[in-house]
Amino acid sequence: NAGVTQTPKFQVLKTGQSMTLQCAQDMNHNSMYWYRQDPGMGLRLIYYSASEGTTDKGEVPNGYNVSRLNKREFSLRLESAAPSQTSVYFCASSGVNTEAFFGQGTRLTVV
Amino acid sequence: GENVEQHPSTLSVQEGDSAVIKCTYSDSASNYFPWYKQELGKRPQLIIDIRSNVGEKKDQRIAVTLNKTAKHFSLHITETQPEDSAVYFCAASRSYIPTFGRGTSLIVHP
Repeated sequence: NAGVTQTPKFQVLKTGQSMTLQCAQDMNHNSMYWYRQDPGMGLRLIYYSASEGTTDKGEVPNGYNVSRLNKREFSLRLESAAPSQTSVYFCASSGVNTEAFFGQGTRLTVV
Repeated sequence: GENVEQHPSTLSVQEGDSAVIKCTYSDSASNYFPWYKQELGKRPQLIIDIRSNVGEKKDQRIAVTLNKTAKHFSLHITETQPEDSAVYFCAASRSYIPTFGRGTSLIVHP
């Protein structure tokens, strides 16, 4: 049982480059999330998808886009990376009022 | 939306002491309150959770209490061990979308 699989684990981008972070879950969860983690700031919600076919903005959506490709997959895209997007990104999924399961995280550096 | 405040941001204790981390939430409709532990370089993982119809829950050395009237909940770790050293996050949600506190870095000195 793989749980939540997130790729890549590490990435270095130059300012202005684009990239897509991939996330897939095999727990049949309806809800999926993208968070960013910065020192002292906890886990801040970027975008979420309550169910297949729907996506909504979270607390810090600027500079990001998402796609809920199907029930299993939820991707995060940076169209034009900025140094302020240097962070650790976590994908997560959950059922209704149950624990969230996290991917292994992506450490992104934008130079 | 929901707002979760977590204190303290850093907690340093001696091995064997107890540790208490406190959180408050703003949305009275929140009904699920999980706690996650994140070791250095790893993903957050659930250690205990509590639902709004329960006031207290224990699991070995870990306990969580919930006061719905005051909208606060706490994590209690007894007989702390060096392997308890990690960052702990509280969260609150209603049905889905957990909102996290900023985390508490717990350091247990041998």
